[in-house]
Parts: sequence; structure tokens; C-alpha cells
Amino acid sequence: AQSVAQPEDQVNVAEGNPLTVKCTYSVSGNPYLFWYVQYPNRGLQFLLKYITGDNLVKGSYGFEAEFNKSQTSFHLKKPSALVSDSALYFCAVRSPDTGRRALTFGSGTRLQVQP
Amino acid sequence: NAGVTQTPKFQVLKTGQSMTLQCAQDMNHEYMSWYRQDPGMGLRLIHYSVGAGITDQGEVPNGYNVSRSTTEDFPLRLLSAAPSQTSVYFCASSRTDPGANVLTFGAGSRLTVL
Repeated sequence: AQSVAQPEDQVNVAEGNPLTVKCTYSVSGNPYLFWYVQYPNRGLQFLLKYITGDNLVKGSYGFEAEFNKSQTSFHLKKPSALVSDSALYFCAVRSPDTGRRALTFGSGTRLQVQP
Repeated sequence: NAGVTQTPKFQVLKTGQSMTLQCAQDMNHEYMSWYRQDPGMGLRLIHYSVGAGITDQGEVPNGYNVSRSTTEDFPLRLLSAAPSQTSVYFCASSRTDPGANVLTFGAGSRLTVL
């Protein structure tokens, strides 16, 4: 079975400061890892993914994530937060071996960026 | 370029009523799926389909039916609504070629069962 943990319900950061949203996962085999963002009353939007290769993945809106196999983590980062980054962030994982292509999502972390 | 379109956006039902949530995509994606989003629980897979005529159960399929008669459409049916089905429902689609294909989500349908 695959699972994702997002240990923080909410992360507060001041505008201009770096931000980190944490994610750890459990899956058999090599994982496919994703970050999605959800703005109020909207669907989820894809930010970035890790399949293989370089452990540092760059995505949309200046976000990046670092894959750490030994710690089974895939933390989302941004060097300088914007107020407009305030949203709900979901980490997701799936095994490449499953035909159902089902993503397992974490419970989400609300990012609040204060001006 | 519409992407994934869900209707209705909001619906209120009484216990025992039936309804269908519609999902349509115009990207020729073979894979389509339904998730429900509940506070503190992330998104959970209800049903999915890898092509017309093929459907299968996800993590929380009880109380829901699906069918896939065309590539474009993947409706979700609630035959006898229960308060536990109060949730926000998302339809998502993707390609099925090998690789970590990204899901494209609809805007969601908020369902309240009284």
C-alpha cells in the first residue's frame, strides 16, 4: 500500500522569506511523486513531479522540490514566498507498477504568506 | 481549450435521492477518474477508467456507480444519496502512455446530502 504524510496542517511564512512544505511517502519500488496546488473553489493544479534523475526538480511559479530517497521525502520549497502563493498544497505518490494509476494524496498543507 | 468540465458545480440532495455528476474532457485522454475531497483527508479515488467500456473501483467505491461509453465522458452516479457522501468531487484525466502522466482536474462539484 502507498501512503503520503504531510505533517503540517498549516505553514505560515512572511512574504520574501523562503518556504518549505514537508512531505514523506511510502510506496513499493521507485516512486512517482507530485505536488499539486489548490486555490479556493478551484480544482487542483499541477506544480511539479519527480520520476527519475536529478533529485532537485523545478516546477511552476518558482517552486522546486527535493527528492530524498533515504528519508523518503519530497519537500516543496521556494526561495522567496509571495502573498499569491497562499493556497492548499497536496503531495501525491504512485507506484509506476500499478495499472490503476491511482494517486495517493496527503491530507494537504495550507500555506499562508503574510505581507 | 476547455480541459475537464464538471457539472453541476453545486448540488443539494435529500437522503435517498439519486443524481449524476457529469464529467467531460476534450483532450482525448484515455484515463479518467473520480476523487472525493474531505477535510483533513486529502483526495481519495472512487472509480477510474482506462478507456471506453472499461471501469474499475478505487479506494472508496461504495455507493457510487460509473460507466464509460465514450472517451470524452465519465459520469458518476449516486443511486441513493447518504449524508456521508457530502463532499467535494473532482474528476481528473490523463494520457495512458508509459510515464508519470499528470492528471488534469476539473473545477469540482460540491455535493451536500441532507
